Amino acid sequence: SAVISQKPSRDICQRGTSLTIQCQVDSQVTMMFWYRQQPGQSLTLIATANQGSEATYESGFVIDKFPISRPNLTFSTLTVSNMSPEDSSIYLCSALSGYSNQPQHFGDGTRLSIL
Amino acid sequence: AQTVTQSQPEMSVQEAETVTLSCTYDTSESDYYLFWYKQPPSRQMILVIRQEAYKQQNATENRFSVNFQKAAKSFSLKISDSQLGDAAMYFCAQGAQKLVFGQGTRLTINP
Repeated sequence: SAVISQKPSRDICQRGTSLTIQCQVDSQVTMMFWYRQQPGQSLTLIATANQGSEATYESGFVIDKFPISRPNLTFSTLTVSNMSPEDSSIYLCSALSGYSNQPQHFGDGTRLSIL
Repeated sequence: AQTVTQSQPEMSVQEAETVTLSCTYDTSESDYYLFWYKQPPSRQMILVIRQEAYKQQNATENRFSVNFQKAAKSFSLKISDSQLGDAAMYFCAQGAQKLVFGQGTRLTINP
């Protein structure tokens, strides 16, 4: 199974700033996803990171707030822009090797706190 | 719309005993997968078990097994011989590629 590394593992940021989270997979994967887990809540899909094209966002999430890049088959970034305390969450990257017959694996997550 | 419901916010079990976590779901897809993930305090999402919806046989992984009732859209997780290391949040999820997660069940193991 793919090994997924996320950086940073945690950060504390000031209101109004932006932070970019990196996700690196140790093998080529077909699909990469970004999820948000608000405190005490479940995971919610932010977007599907598409290689070489714009990400596909879920309802309630927009590109201006959460720009995503995926320059190749093993790497993606999520930027949380103009942060507010409501953005304090765990952000998780996941990857799917092959197609839907393979299980989806997750990175260790980035715990983000906004002051 | 896809939904996943875990009706038990918290469960507890004595060490070495058996516990069952409940999950129901709704989907219009014909080809999908069901998952149980474990999230310890370290926040890593660890895949516990996976079930292909087209398979009638229930999946098993060592001490973990599922009871998959497709018509009822039910997917429960049974943990046998519970161990202290099983303590975590357990999330049920459904999907083929994009996953929809339930609200989670916090499992406590009593020594």
